[in-house]
Amino acid sequence: LAKTTQPISMDSYEGQEVNITCSHNNIATNDYITWYQQFPSQGPRFIIQGYKTKVTNEVASLFIPADRKSSTLSLPRVSLSDTAVYYCLVGVTSGTYKYIFGTGTRLKVLA
Amino acid sequence: NAGVTQTPKFQVLKTGQSMTLQCAQDMNHNSMYWYRQDPGMGLRLIYYSASEGTTDKGEVPNGYNVSRLNKREFSLRLESAAPSQTSVYFCASSEWHPNTEAFFGQGTRLTVV
Repeated sequence: LAKTTQPISMDSYEGQEVNITCSHNNIATNDYITWYQQFPSQGPRFIIQGYKTKVTNEVASLFIPADRKSSTLSLPRVSLSDTAVYYCLVGVTSGTYKYIFGTGTRLKVLA
Repeated sequence: NAGVTQTPKFQVLKTGQSMTLQCAQDMNHNSMYWYRQDPGMGLRLIYYSASEGTTDKGEVPNGYNVSRLNKREFSLRLESAAPSQTSVYFCASSEWHPNTEAFFGQGTRLTVV
C-alpha cells in the first residue's frame, strides 16, 4: 500500500529552525513534491513545491535528495503563528497512480 | 477575488438522505478536486477532474459521485448518506493536475446521523 508518512507532532520554540520530513518511497517519476499548511477550521494553504535538490521561497525551504524518496520542509525562525499542521503531497505509483497527502505533522511553537 | 467557494458550510443529514455539495472557483483553473478530512486525520482524495469534461476516482470514491458542470464548478453528490461519511469536505482547484499549486475552499462540515 503506497503511503506518505510524516512525524505525528513536533514542538519548537520561537526563533528556532524547524525541519519536517516526509517519506514517499513510491513517488511517481514526473511528480513534484508539494507542502501545505493548515490552521484549524481552514483549508490547506500552499507553502512550497519542488522536484529535486533545493527550493527556497520567502517562507520556507524544501530539500529533496537525489532518490526523491523523502523530502524535508525547513521553516526558518518559527513564530507562534506557525503553529499548524503541515502536510506533504505527492503522486505515488504502487500498481496504480494515486495523489496522496501525507499523514500530517502537528507543529506547536512555544514562546 | 473569492478563490474557491463551497456551499453549504454546515449540513446535517439523516442516514439515507441525499445531498449535493457545491464548489465554484473564479481563477480559471483547469483542475478541481474533492477531499474529505476526518478528525485527526489527513486529507484523502475522493474524486478529481483534471480538466473540464473529465473526472477520475481518487483514494476513497465509494459512496460519492461528481459532476464537472463547467470549468468553474465541480459538485460532489452523496446519493444515500451514511454515518461513515461524516467528515469535513474540501474542494480545491489548480491550474493543472497534478503539478501546480492547489487552492482550497473553507470546507463543508457534514454530519450524518
